Amino acid sequence: KQEVTQIPAALSVPEGENLVLNCSFTDSAIYNLQWFRQDPGKGLTSLLLIQSSQREQTSGRLNASLDKSSGRSTLYIAASQPGDSATYLCAVEDSNYQLIWGAGTKLIIKP
Amino acid sequence: NAGVTQTPKFRILKIGQSMTLQCTQDMNHNYMYWYRQDPGMGLKLIYYSVGAGITDKGEVPNGYNVSRSTTEDFPLRLELAAPSQTSVYFCASRGDWGTEAFFGQGTRLTVV
Repeated sequence: KQEVTQIPAALSVPEGENLVLNCSFTDSAIYNLQWFRQDPGKGLTSLLLIQSSQREQTSGRLNASLDKSSGRSTLYIAASQPGDSATYLCAVEDSNYQLIWGAGTKLIIKP
Repeated sequence: NAGVTQTPKFRILKIGQSMTLQCTQDMNHNYMYWYRQDPGMGLKLIYYSVGAGITDKGEVPNGYNVSRSTTEDFPLRLELAAPSQTSVYFCASRGDWGTEAFFGQGTRLTVV
């Protein structure tokens, strides 16, 4: 059974720092991996989607990498801003076309 | 551009009451999903649908029912509310497997 883990559960850093969020999964047979952002009291917003054949995707200050063989993905946020404060979730799409979710990393960027 | 719309945003139910959470999308997506999110946990799939008239159980379907009579709508029904169903519920849609998922803003449900 696919399991997705995100470590750390919470992270607090000063504004301007570059940071990395981690996502690991137990079964490398995935179709893709997606990173989402969740703001308090709101829904989830898709940030990046990496197909299983890709190694990374970039959007603005965000860069996500995927290493299927080791079961890992990282989300790199450059020059963090207070507006980046949110919970970040990763999800893998398994062989049954379902999204399996991590519990998220709550990120706080201190001004 | 509405995307995925869920109603209501908040609801308090008494044990044993029933209710329907509404979800509608205007993107002509085939795939629709209902998830629940409990504190500190990942999203758990309740039910999903790959097209009008087709629904299937997810990981935690007990106590819930769904229907998909149109492409746009995917309501979730709670028949006999229990405290264990206190959670935040999210509806999502996407055009096909392997594509980006779009989420509604969620329904915070409390059963007392």
